[in-house]
Amino acid sequence: QQQVKQSPQSLIVQKGGIPIINCAYENTAFDYFPWYQQFPGKGPALLIAIRPDVSEKKEGRFTISFNKSAKQFSLHIMDSQPGDSATYFCAANYGGSQGNLIFGKGTKLSVKP
Amino acid sequence: DAGVTQSPTHLIKTRGQHVTLRCSPISGHKSVSWYQQVLGQGPQFIFQYYEKEERGRGNFPDRFSARQFPNYSSELNVNALLLGDSALYLCASSFGPPGEQYFGPGTRLTVT
Repeated sequence: QQQVKQSPQSLIVQKGGIPIINCAYENTAFDYFPWYQQFPGKGPALLIAIRPDVSEKKEGRFTISFNKSAKQFSLHIMDSQPGDSATYFCAANYGGSQGNLIFGKGTKLSVKP
Repeated sequence: DAGVTQSPTHLIKTRGQHVTLRCSPISGHKSVSWYQQVLGQGPQFIFQYYEKEERGRGNFPDRFSARQFPNYSSELNVNALLLGDSALYLCASSFGPPGEQYFGPGTRLTVT
């Protein structure tokens, strides 16, 4: 119940394509769902986040779609660029005041020129 | 503005030794969380501190401990190091406990 399941494990797209990364959860106590981008040797960088009372959020080329009834959420990257090549992690915040993030296992994205 | 800073960047220790990792949060942030990231996996929650009090603890042995200082900086201590403790240790800060968490660059710990 504490898990966040992320797929696919890896993804290759052409420049300009729209990679989609999916995550699913079981625990309805999760109340905040961020996405992080991580480059090799660096810490994760917060990209975009959503709360369960919202079905979609856009920030620049990044969009989160959230389906509360299905307990699923996904990240779409519009007009992907080679510089977007990185590992992406979905996460879920557990415990309200505790602020404990549960991470998915990550998706390694490669955007070909 | 400076982001989350961590020191040292890299560290090599021998099995059985002790290690102390340090973290300075973003100015104005009162909450610090520690995560362990093994190669190829997502970060795993170790501790969360808010206003110098422990607010959460992940599924890690008692060899792991932490504390937060009055200036909101934090230390993570690991005793009796094992080979399996080799990982990237990440610190994240947020304004409040359930807020957006911003990560530092991490400390790469290698145990030989």
